[in-house]
Amino acid sequence: DAGVIQSPRHEVTEMGQEVTLRCKPISGHDYLFWYRQTMMRGLELLIYFNNNVPIDDSGMPEDRFSAKMPNASFSTLKIQPSEPRDSAVYFCASSRGKSTEAFFGQGTRLTVV
Amino acid sequence: AQKVTQAQTEISVVEKEDVTLDCVYETRDTTYYLFWYKQPPSGELVFLIRRNSFDEQNEISGRYSWNFQKSTSSFNFTITASQVVDSAVYFCALSEMIYSGGGADGLTFGKGTHLIIQP
Repeated sequence: DAGVIQSPRHEVTEMGQEVTLRCKPISGHDYLFWYRQTMMRGLELLIYFNNNVPIDDSGMPEDRFSAKMPNASFSTLKIQPSEPRDSAVYFCASSRGKSTEAFFGQGTRLTVV
Repeated sequence: AQKVTQAQTEISVVEKEDVTLDCVYETRDTTYYLFWYKQPPSGELVFLIRRNSFDEQNEISGRYSWNFQKSTSSFNFTITASQVVDSAVYFCALSEMIYSGGGADGLTFGKGTHLIIQP
């Protein structure tokens, strides 16, 4: 089975530009999570979905961030407009249930210059 | 609120030594799950183990072992006979059940311990 697939692996963009990160979860997993990893704050949950429905977006830093899950096999995280402080590694993860282990994608390293 | 503390920021040992990574957690829940993940230099997060709060049995998997003690709110990870390939950042994480509203609020991670195994 393929794991969680994220694209792109690396993204360099200029401040003010729109950035879209993509994620394909593991087939059959009902939960999808977006995490952000920075040196200062470590790994933090941004938002998660259950059966394509956003459940908790309290971790989204501000309105510039938005996430969608139009179907069970695809999710996006969008930043518009991007700022240098958004530079981080963004991970997508999926799990089969609410108490099972989450499997992570390889992450997208975002650099905003 | 839940919290995970990994007090050891970095540990360096010589290959073949045993090493223990500490993890202390805080939670209001009586039902929760604890995890360990490994992040090698390549950057991905690799799942190692999940343990529920009602199972305090120690777990052993090859050179890896985990010691869960509810009395001290700790879930420590030991690598026996360490190898260079064990070099990575190791994260301990917690997921609550009841106070999360019965759903998964995702994982609360510790800051990680950077383990360096020197040849």
